[in-house]
Amino acid sequence: GNSVTQMEGPVTLSEEAFLTINCTYTATGYPSLFWYVQYPGEGLQLLLKATKADDKGSNKGFEATYRKETTSFHLEKGSVQVSDSAVYFCALNDYKLSFGAGTTVTVRA
Amino acid sequence: DTEVTQTPKHLVMGMTNKKSLKCEQHMGHRAMYWYKQKAKKPPELMFVYSYEKLSINESVPSRFSPECPNSSLLNLHLHALQPEDSALYLCASSQDLTSGKETQYFGPGTRLLVL
Repeated sequence: GNSVTQMEGPVTLSEEAFLTINCTYTATGYPSLFWYVQYPGEGLQLLLKATKADDKGSNKGFEATYRKETTSFHLEKGSVQVSDSAVYFCALNDYKLSFGAGTTVTVRA
Repeated sequence: DTEVTQTPKHLVMGMTNKKSLKCEQHMGHRAMYWYKQKAKKPPELMFVYSYEKLSINESVPSRFSPECPNSSLLNLHLHALQPEDSALYLCASSQDLTSGKETQYFGPGTRLLVL
């Protein structure tokens, strides 16, 4: 079956630090890949997506590239802000949306 | 506009109560979903509707009863819930289920507490 593995948290960073959250997947087909973000007390928001190999998704300074050869979709941001503190979920969709466990990110001022 | 709305935002109910959660989208999407999310966990799929017909029921107990009255609305009727049903209930929608790879857009959720 399909599955998503993302790096364990929590992750604590200082403002303006570089953020990377690793995500790898297992899929029998060719899924679409997503990063969702959940701010405290809120629902999930789509952060970015990629639908085929070598696609790069980007939004709000975040980027992730669909790497078929390494089955990865790592999330990166060059300079984080306190407002980026949230839980980040990597997910794949291949007839069912499968989520990673989530990574809690805390950015300190 | 990629907005999914949900009401109420918070709900407290006793184990003998009957209540309903509501979800609405105006993106012209033809697939709608209910998820349950426990604290510090990813969402778990409960139900999927496609063109107003129930497509997937992930073996959810019958005390949860979904309804899709039209293409924009999705309800979740709750009856005789247990304290372990306390969670964040998320609604989502997508264009349809044609490719199986569609983007799902989530609402803000209803935080349910069962006493």
